[in-house]
Amino acid sequence: GEDVEQSLFLSVREGDSSVINCTYTDSSSTYLYWYKQEPGAGLQLLTYIFSNMDMKQDQRLTVLLNKKDKHLSLRIADTQTGDSAIYFCAESAGNNRKLIWGLGTSLAVNP
Amino acid sequence: GAGVSQSPSNKVTEKGKDVELRCDPISGHTALYWYRQSLGQGLEFLIYFQGNSAPDKSGLPSDRFSAERTGGSVSTLTIQRTQQEDSAVYLCASSLSNEQFFGPGTRLTVL
Repeated sequence: GEDVEQSLFLSVREGDSSVINCTYTDSSSTYLYWYKQEPGAGLQLLTYIFSNMDMKQDQRLTVLLNKKDKHLSLRIADTQTGDSAIYFCAESAGNNRKLIWGLGTSLAVNP
Repeated sequence: GAGVSQSPSNKVTEKGKDVELRCDPISGHTALYWYRQSLGQGLEFLIYFQGNSAPDKSGLPSDRFSAERTGGSVSTLTIQRTQQEDSAVYLCASSLSNEQFFGPGTRLTVL
């Protein structure tokens, strides 16, 4: 069945890089997404990658996809306190492109 | 431009009552999704509308849940005879292609 797993917590120091990891099971996934949720706020789409790509870079964000291992990662360079949030990994499955979600990784950035 | 809006932002109801949650998608977006975010279950897909096609209701947890989308735009999610386990944040997203944009959600509390 479809399943997405992420570690629940990550703590980094301000200025360091953060790497959030995700594994998924559905080999037919066409797109993989990273969303950010700040306390009391909605889900913000950060970036996404098509399954035939292995890397995508967007400013401080780098997404790496290892399709063979079904492993996705999000690297945030020069992490700031404003990056503190919950980061969700999601895969798009089926013709309806519904999103299957991980439980989220809570990123804490310490000054 | 305007994003996805949802109303009400908060709803407190008594067990056994019916509730209606509303979603206004981004203008021109043909696809509309409902998801539910709860503490025990994370984010889960509920229902999907695409244009005039029959909706994909495969994620609805019981027959107490229903949704409609009038005129290909506004959608209403109805929960009949609410139960305490229905307490969650109900999220709506709209999409034109590969990106789903989320509204702020409706927090439903069933007492």
